[in-house]
Amino acid sequence: KNQVEQSPQSLIILEGKNCTLQCNYTVSPFSNLRWYKQDTGRGPVSLTIMTFSENTKSNGRYTATLDADTKQSSLHITASQLSDSASYICVVKKDYKLSFGAGTTVTVRA
Amino acid sequence: DAGVIQSPRHEVTEMGQEVTLRCKPISGHDYLFWYRQTMMRGLELLIYFNNNVPIDDSGMPEDRFSAKMPNASFSTLKIQPSEPRDSAVYFCASSSNQGAGGNTIYFGEGSWLTVV
Repeated sequence: KNQVEQSPQSLIILEGKNCTLQCNYTVSPFSNLRWYKQDTGRGPVSLTIMTFSENTKSNGRYTATLDADTKQSSLHITASQLSDSASYICVVKKDYKLSFGAGTTVTVRA
Repeated sequence: DAGVIQSPRHEVTEMGQEVTLRCKPISGHDYLFWYRQTMMRGLELLIYFNNNVPIDDSGMPEDRFSAKMPNASFSTLKIQPSEPRDSAVYFCASSSNQGAGGNTIYFGEGSWLTVV
């Protein structure tokens, strides 16, 4: 069983709307939790990094939250744009090892 | 900085042939990682180096896979002989620090390998 589970697997939203992606993990303890954005045909690009003591981290229209007690994280996209169409991957780091979620594919439509 | 540079971007090869993927990490980074991404298994760590030394190669699928880092600015991942099930995107990534603070890991654009 994957140690990092993401939901939903995919979603479609209209341009300008908000959406929230979920990440549940079992890796414990961990060093940090990261969200990556991966455009089709490109490598993953880091959006946020949070240590276990941080609750929230923002990067422009992207806001990540972390609840270490429930082992859940979310990524909120505000006022979505067409360029937000991508796969979003939740990654939990323990020691040197990264555990990757399967990703949520977001499609933003005009 | 140009980022992590990988080559080739795309390769199609016949089963049994040798494949060599190349990577130039970001200058100054002392950690280098090779990942493989497939639809079925997502991103998987194959091997990582610290200061050019392989630290953990437990993710390397089998003896057909080998990786080297002869210097701080170059690494190769070799598959010999290649098989159709090796078809995937291979990412190289680099980082400047692996401590608990967790510096950002920067990924290259990937090498898309198809073995027919």
